[in-house]
Amino acid sequence: NAGVTQTPKFQVLKTGQSMTLQCAQDMNHNSMYWYRQDPGMGLRLIYYSASEGTTDKGEVPNGYNVSRLNKREFSLRLESAAPSQTSVYFCAIGLAGANEQFFGPGTRLTVL
Amino acid sequence: QKEVEQDPGPLSVPEGAIVSLNCTYSNSAFQYFMWYRQYSRKGPELLMYTYSSGNKEDGRFTAQVDKSSKYISLFIRDSQPSDSATYLCARMDSSYKLIFGSGTRLLVRP
Repeated sequence: NAGVTQTPKFQVLKTGQSMTLQCAQDMNHNSMYWYRQDPGMGLRLIYYSASEGTTDKGEVPNGYNVSRLNKREFSLRLESAAPSQTSVYFCAIGLAGANEQFFGPGTRLTVL
Repeated sequence: QKEVEQDPGPLSVPEGAIVSLNCTYSNSAFQYFMWYRQYSRKGPELLMYTYSSGNKEDGRFTAQVDKSSKYISLFIRDSQPSDSATYLCARMDSSYKLIFGSGTRLLVRP
């Protein structure tokens, strides 16, 4: 997963708490993505950013906000965490118009 | 019905076996297909991608798309214990977003 870093690696929250997941890349790719992965559901797109300054909703955006801070960084915020947001969150990057997406190592989030 | 359907497995095979992993898809609008491999507690990594129909080979791996039946397959020849992982198929849509299947867990027994 070289080139895409995610922090933190693990997090436990209580219901109603907020937190921000951070993603940074050093591959100079335009597009950045946030996915969640749940057992039996595969990877589902939460939000994506095709370029700096733009963000769009994916398949499951409710309960999340994002910020594309600059070309390198794309953060995902949970304003009021719910147990249904317990999941593994992956950040991915890609070149505009290209096929491949590179994934980070993931953040394991548990909401109690 | 999910756009990309995949049998979750697990699929357990002996070392050296030929493995066949399959997905079906429902939307024919844009036909880039990918196979990702995901080791336990790691992020997915791209194995292969194909466009439209036909075969694509890379070493021990062959990806196949059958447009008429909307079927995507990944074949692994001479499977190794190091191939044990979850394999995710995905379809890329016209906005270059990926739609994933749920993944098939493969175990190759020594």
